[in-house]
Amino acid sequence: DAGVTQSPTHLIKTRGQQVTLRCSPKSGHDTVSWYQQALGQGPQFIFQYYEEEERQRGNFPDRFSGHQFPNYSSELNVNALLLGDSALYLCASSLGYTLGETQYFGPGTRLLVL
Amino acid sequence: SQELEQSPQSLIVQEGKNLTINCTSSKTLYGLYWYKQKYGEGLIFLMMLQKGGEEKSHEKITAKLDEKKQQSSLHITASQPSHAGIYLCGADVSKEGVLQLTFGSGTQLTVLP
Repeated sequence: DAGVTQSPTHLIKTRGQQVTLRCSPKSGHDTVSWYQQALGQGPQFIFQYYEEEERQRGNFPDRFSGHQFPNYSSELNVNALLLGDSALYLCASSLGYTLGETQYFGPGTRLLVL
Repeated sequence: SQELEQSPQSLIVQEGKNLTINCTSSKTLYGLYWYKQKYGEGLIFLMMLQKGGEEKSHEKITAKLDEKKQQSSLHITASQPSHAGIYLCGADVSKEGVLQLTFGSGTQLTVLP
């Protein structure tokens, strides 16, 4: 049973560039959530996708956008990169998202913006 | 303001010792999750607690949710180097109508052989 996978594992970009991160959910899951984790902090919720639509969004600017495909995989896009966007980006999947529905996390993509 | 407060921020123990990590919320917790993270890696799900007074165990790790559902503790018995990592508590929180999984800032655990 494949768990959550993410690609790439590491990425280096320069300020102003754009980046796309990818996520494949755990088998049987239909909901994907994205998180940003800065060094020494807990993950911060970016947004969540279900049925190919953004269902929930945290306090992140519009530079952060996403997409979910019919096979439930998802992409996170960040435009006009800032130094402060350097972080570990985590994808999590679940079967729907209601109270008490456990989210399972991928290994993350480490983004460094120079 | 921090929704979930974890303590301590870091912990160094000798192998074989017991330890406890706490997670406190100012609001009632409806779903409390414990995850473990190796440095720079993804989160590994440990346990989920929902009911006040609930206690769950997995191998040498036990988690409890207090009766008032505002505090949870994670206890490790006879710690081993394999227990080292960052322990994160998370909770389902509604922020301005958005239901999201919110995390504490983590507890860094080091186990000395």
